[in-house]
Amino acid sequence: DAGVIQSPRHEVTEMGQEVTLRCKPISGHNSLFWYRQTMMRGLELLIYFNNNVPIDDSGMPEDRFSAKMPNASFSTLKIQPSEPRDSAVYFCASRIGSDTQYFGPGTRLTVL
Amino acid sequence: DAKTTQPPSMDCAEGRAANLPCNHSTISGNEYVYWYRQIHSQGPQYIIHGLKNNETNEMASLIITEDRKSSTLILPHATLRDTAVYYCIVRSPSGTYKYIFGTGTRLKVLA
Repeated sequence: DAGVIQSPRHEVTEMGQEVTLRCKPISGHNSLFWYRQTMMRGLELLIYFNNNVPIDDSGMPEDRFSAKMPNASFSTLKIQPSEPRDSAVYFCASRIGSDTQYFGPGTRLTVL
Repeated sequence: DAKTTQPPSMDCAEGRAANLPCNHSTISGNEYVYWYRQIHSQGPQYIIHGLKNNETNEMASLIITEDRKSSTLILPHATLRDTAVYYCIVRSPSGTYKYIFGTGTRLKVLA
């Protein structure tokens, strides 16, 4: 079975540019999570969707970050405009019901 | 969700059992103990979880003390590929969906 799929795996961009990260959850899972990992702050939850609806976005750093889930098999995390402090590894995770979360391989974002 | 405490680092000889402790003294009756690991540059990988009984799967065993205030993850025959950061998380299935990842234990398996 395919796990959580994320693209791109690596992204290098310049400050001020728009960045879009993509996630395909495991088929049949109805919850999706976006996390960010940095050396300073560890793994942090950014936003949580349940049945395609954002339930908790309290972890989104600021208005430059937005996330969408137009259907059960696709989600995006957008940063506009990007800043060097956004450099991190971004993980997507999914689960079914209240079960275990399964993580994707991550997108390593570097903002120059 | 209850807070967990783990040693920052441990070493283990290849082929030996790796025993990773976790303290969760404030755990509630309906909270499960979950273990994940993160191999360098990869996403966190689910290992095992349990409520109060000991659990075993193809990856590891989980031993939870009778009072549930602590647990130990056991990798029975550690290999170099088990070198990773191991996270112990406590959560209630019916409660918050948030996983609080602490700093974990950095396990280094030595050849």
